[in-house]
Amino acid sequence: AQSVTQLGSHVSVSEGALVLLRCNYSSSVPPYLFWYVQYPNQGLQLLLKYTTGATLVKGINGFEAEFKKSETSFHLTKPSAHMSDAAEYFCAVTPGGIKAAGNKLTFGGGTRVLVKP
Amino acid sequence: KAGVTQTPRYLIKTRGQQVTLSCSPISGHRSVSWYQQTPGQGLQFLFEYFSETQRNKGNFPGRFSGRQFSNSRSEMNVSTLELGDSALYLCASSLGRDLYEQYFGPGTRLTVT
Repeated sequence: AQSVTQLGSHVSVSEGALVLLRCNYSSSVPPYLFWYVQYPNQGLQLLLKYTTGATLVKGINGFEAEFKKSETSFHLTKPSAHMSDAAEYFCAVTPGGIKAAGNKLTFGGGTRVLVKP
Repeated sequence: KAGVTQTPRYLIKTRGQQVTLSCSPISGHRSVSWYQQTPGQGLQFLFEYFSETQRNKGNFPGRFSGRQFSNSRSEMNVSTLELGDSALYLCASSLGRDLYEQYFGPGTRLTVT
């Protein structure tokens, strides 16, 4: 079984400040990890994903995340917040490698980001 | 290329009724997954279809069912609606499995009264 914990259901940052969203996962097999963003009244958009290889993953809109196996973490960062980053962010996990489970994602509870001018 | 479309976007039903939601994937995509999003339970996986076959299933009661047609369009059905079924139902499509990116539709907002 897999699970995802996102620390902090709400995060407030000032425009131009660092955005840091925390994600810890539990998986009995090597995981594939994802970050999605959801804007109001919209579906989810993939920001970035980690499957294998380089542990620092760069995504769209200036976001990046680092897979740390020893810490079972996949935190999302952006050096400088923009007003358009205000949204809800979801971390997700699925079994990877030979245990790959198709497209069955387990999501964290989400973190809503507020950007202050 | 057109994105994932879901119809209807909004739906109001009465407890005990049944409902059918539709999802049209991106052209060429063969996998369609369904998720339920609620404030209390968050995003939960319902099921996935690939080439008309259910490939994965989440932990939902049998009232929730789905199917996929030969053109990859998918429907999900919820019978004997309960108040707790009120949610945003999201559909996602992808080319295949595992490493392929999932593209989400805007969702269908179901309200059960």
